[in-house]
Amino acid sequence: DAEITQSPRHKITETGRQVTLACHQTWNHNNMFWYRQDLGHGLRLIHYSYGVQDTNKGEVSDGYSVSRSNTEDLPLTLESAASSQTSVYFCASSEKTDSGNTIYFGEGSWLTVV
Amino acid sequence: GQNIDQPTEMTATEGAIVQINCTYQTSGFNGLFWYQQHAGEAPTFLSYNVLDGLEEKGRFSSFLSRSKGYSYLLLKELQMKDSASYLCAVMDSNYQLIWGAGTKLIIKP
Repeated sequence: DAEITQSPRHKITETGRQVTLACHQTWNHNNMFWYRQDLGHGLRLIHYSYGVQDTNKGEVSDGYSVSRSNTEDLPLTLESAASSQTSVYFCASSEKTDSGNTIYFGEGSWLTVV
Repeated sequence: GQNIDQPTEMTATEGAIVQINCTYQTSGFNGLFWYQQHAGEAPTFLSYNVLDGLEEKGRFSSFLSRSKGYSYLLLKELQMKDSASYLCAVMDSNYQLIWGAGTKLIIKP
C-alpha cells in the first residue's frame, strides 16, 4: 500500500543544533506539506511544495527550510534549533481527487529541543 | 483575517449522538474537511463537503451551509473508540487549508 513515512519519530536535540526531519511518500503525489501542531493551536503550515524544485513558505516558516529534489521526499531542516520549536511535526501529501485535495498525513515526528 | 472556530471540548455518552460545530471566515471557499485525530496519532480523513447539504458515511455525517459559514459533524451510536479530537479545515481561494484548533471529544460509558 502507498504510504507516507517520517523519521525520526522521536528526537531530543540541543539548542543551536541543526536537525533534519525526513518525509517520504510513495503515492507519487505532487503536493507535500510540513505542519507543526501545538496545544491550543490548529495545525500550522511551515512549508509546502507543489512539485520537484518548488518550495513555498507557510504561516510559520522562520527557522525552517525544505528542499524538493524528487517527488517522493520533502526533508524539513531546522537550521539552529530553538526551544520554541519543540513540537510535533506532521508531513502530509495530497493530490486532487473527487474528495477535493484530500491531505494524507505521516505518523508525526516528536521533537524536543533542550 | 481567516478564522475557524470549534468548541475546545465536548463530552457525550456511549451509544448517544453528538454534533460538533464549526464556523469559519475565510478568503474564499473551496471545500471543508473533517479529520479525526486520536491522541498521539496523525489526523485521518473523515469527510469533505463542497456543496450545501448533508453527506452521510455510516455513523458519521457532515453538513455544510456556505451562506452561514457553518458546518457540523454528526456522530451517531457513539463508541468508546470515537474518543478523539475532531479537526475542521477549510480550503481557501488559494487552495490553502486553514485549520481549526480541534474539538476533543470525550466518550463516557
